[in-house]
Parts: sequence; structure tokens; C-alpha cells
Amino acid sequence: LAKTTQPISMDSYEGQEVNITCSHNNIATNDYITWYQQFPSQGPRFIIQGYKTKVTNEVASLFIPADRKSSTLSLPRVSLSDTAVYYCLVESGGGADGLTFGKGTHLIIQP
Amino acid sequence: DADVTQTPRNRITKTGKRIMLECSQTKGHDRMYWYRQDPGLGLRLIYYSFDVKDINKGEISDGYSVSRQAQAKFSLSLESAIPNQTALYFCATSEAGTGAAKNIQYFGAGTRLSVL
Repeated sequence: LAKTTQPISMDSYEGQEVNITCSHNNIATNDYITWYQQFPSQGPRFIIQGYKTKVTNEVASLFIPADRKSSTLSLPRVSLSDTAVYYCLVESGGGADGLTFGKGTHLIIQP
Repeated sequence: DADVTQTPRNRITKTGKRIMLECSQTKGHDRMYWYRQDPGLGLRLIYYSFDVKDINKGEISDGYSVSRQAQAKFSLSLESAIPNQTALYFCATSEAGTGAAKNIQYFGAGTRLSVL
């Protein structure tokens, strides 16, 4: 079971780049890394997924070093609407292992 | 219309009552999940189902049961509700996926349950 560790909270300002790091020291060969965003009283929403190196989409980038023991979600030029909880999951899709969202990282963006 | 629909959105019930939360999806996914979220905490997996004939317990299944009536429907029951089951409940779906679409989950809007 690949357990993940994230900071409980982070603060930043509008227009800044925000990087949230997730540690997953015992990630398995078949595991993927997936990030979700959750606003208050809403269900989590998929942001990005990766296996190694770098993945970029219209919302964020995901950086994964060669050893895959950590990953960093990068949000470019954040706005107030990016204030949310961000969850990192590590799982292979073959069972319930890794389907633990934990407490996530509460990102607060200030004007 | 939402791809993953949960009903009811809000429910207040009394201790000892039986209650059912329903989830339906139009995404055509085989996999469905029920999670519980308590204030300030992450989501915890209650039950999951990888197809119509498959039911599996999650991290916190005690006090809950589920039924997978069809590919599109997955209901969660509390046979005898107790106050510490007061929480926000989410249903999610996913497809097994291959390549870069590994098990991405799509969530409903949630059901807020209060047990008095």
C-alpha cells in the first residue's frame, strides 16, 4: 500500500506559481500518481495523472523524478478560484489499495 | 445533466432508522465507489464494486451495506443509522482504463446526511 504524505496547508498569492509536493516512498512499479481538486461541499475533481517524468495539461503540470518517490503538482499563475483541497493518490487501478484520499493539502490563495 | 447523480442531496434521519443513499451514472463505467468525508478529513472508502457481480469492502464498511443493482446503479444503506454516521457521502465511478487513463474517478455532488 503506497502511503502518501502532503503538507496540510499552503498559502500563496494571485498570479504566483504554486508547487505542492507529495511523498510516496513505497510506490510500486504498477502505480500511477493522480491528483484531485476539491472545493467545499463538492466531490473531488480529477486534475492530472502521471507515471514518470513530466505531464502537462491545460490546468497543471506534474513533475515526477526518476525514483518516483515523490511528485510535484505545479499550478501556474494561480487565482482566487484555485483555493481548494488538493489530494495526491498513488494506485495501480487493480484494487482498493491507494484509494485513500487522506487529508490533502488545503491551498489558500490570497489577493 | 450530471454524469454521476446522487440522491438525496440532503437527508436528516433519526438514530435507528434505515436509510438508503442512491447513486446512478451515465458514464458507462464498470467501477463504482462509495466514500465518506468528515469535516476537515479526507475521503474514506466504504465499499467499491468493479462490476455488477463484484462487491468489496473498503476501509470503513462496518455499519454499511451496498447493492449494485445494475452497471449504472450503486446504492449505500445504513441499516440502523447512528449519530457518528453523520457525514458527507460521495459516490464515484471509474473505468479500468489503459495507458494514461488509469482508474480516474468521477464524483457525484454528494449527499449530506445528518443522524440525530
